[in-house]
Amino acid sequence: DSGVTQTPKHLITATGQRVTLRCSPRSGDLSVYWYQQSLDQGLQFLIQYYNGEERAKGNILERFSAQQFPDLHSELNLSSLELGDSALYFCASSVGSLASYNEQFFGPGTRLTVL
Amino acid sequence: QQQVKQSPQSLIVQKGGISIINCAYENTAFDYFPWYQQFPGKGPALLIAIRPDVSEKKEGRFTISFNKSAKQFSLHIMDSQPGDSATYFCAAVGSGYALNFGKGTSLLVTP
Repeated sequence: DSGVTQTPKHLITATGQRVTLRCSPRSGDLSVYWYQQSLDQGLQFLIQYYNGEERAKGNILERFSAQQFPDLHSELNLSSLELGDSALYFCASSVGSLASYNEQFFGPGTRLTVL
Repeated sequence: QQQVKQSPQSLIVQKGGISIINCAYENTAFDYFPWYQQFPGKGPALLIAIRPDVSEKKEGRFTISFNKSAKQFSLHIMDSQPGDSATYFCAAVGSGYALNFGKGTSLLVTP
């Protein structure tokens, strides 16, 4: 158990809908990363937050957004869902030092199915 | 585009054999190279990592070989066991600290 929790575990929804995925980082970790895992694209970095502020953006669609709250949990919002958004979404957290890389610990993921 | 290329896509090894997975990168700004192991239904977990100032790192049965001039690195699993059957991802990290993953290798170790 990495100490990172994600809810829900599974999510089934329809095209055009909006969903929110939640992540609670390990105690003491300030950085949260979101990744998308799909069969064709593999594991891709979406976005990173550090202590409430957006720090880096990867291949995140404009229909997707995220935020990190004062208690450091994070939410990933996916809107106008398309069939191709079906994937596993992972959250990872790290201590988040700005001076050097720190190991990222991954949560168990949320499996999103868009019908 | 995929910044880290990984091969093979799948690998079948007999118990006791050596599993070898290869990765290559182009971005010379990458300065940290971890390998992750993922079991079905779980998130990736760090297995072993290396920085480019060393050519090899060994932890138990797992060894990373790193060739900076060729921009290639590989994972060797010695004495492979059925419990090693999983998907392995190489990754590279640059200044932004996000993980750039290879596409993964599905390893099956047969008894």
